[in-house]
Amino acid sequence: EAGVAQSPRYKIIEKRQSVAFWCNPISGHATLYWYQQILGQGPKLLIQFQNNGVVDDSQLPKDRFSAERLKGVDSTLKIQPAKLEDSAVYLCASSSRLFLADTQYFGPGTRLTVL
Amino acid sequence: DQQVKQNSPSLSVQEGRISILNCDYTNSMFDYFLWYKKYPAEGPTFLISISSIKDKNEDGRFTVFLNKSAKHLSLHIVPSQPGDSAVYFCAASEETSGSRLTFGEGTQLTVNP
Repeated sequence: EAGVAQSPRYKIIEKRQSVAFWCNPISGHATLYWYQQILGQGPKLLIQFQNNGVVDDSQLPKDRFSAERLKGVDSTLKIQPAKLEDSAVYLCASSSRLFLADTQYFGPGTRLTVL
Repeated sequence: DQQVKQNSPSLSVQEGRISILNCDYTNSMFDYFLWYKKYPAEGPTFLISISSIKDKNEDGRFTVFLNKSAKHLSLHIVPSQPGDSAVYFCAASEETSGSRLTFGEGTQLTVNP
């Protein structure tokens, strides 16, 4: 069974530029999550999708971050414009069941550096 | 507001000995707790979990203990192996509000041969 795929693995941009990350979840997984992990901290949930609908985006900075999950499969996370404090690893995870947290499977992450 | 805290950034143990990783939480609504392991350049991998109706869950060399009155959980690894060297994250969720996880800061475990 293929795992969660993410691209790119690394990205370096200047502040005020835009950037987008892509995630392909495990086949058949209805729930998809985007996390932000700042160096020295644990992952923090940004947004959660159930199929193509948003379940929780309470911690997403909506003035600059946006995410979509068209057709309930792949997802993209966009930052526009980026700030220095957005430097972090962006993790995508998926699960087959909404209410069982132990089924979350994580991708390798995208490391973003904002200069 | 850090609802899940891992106060030890690092822990070093000898191969074959016990590793004990600790985690404290403040939100009394948390009812499901998990430990994840993370190797460099990889995403976190689920290790073991425990529901608030239990005080212990065991899976091979890994045991998680939950003390609800103290809002404290711990992960015991016995015996520790060099391959266990990784960052360990404690996470918690409220099942009634969905599967959203709140993570601690992580503890870097190093098992020396």
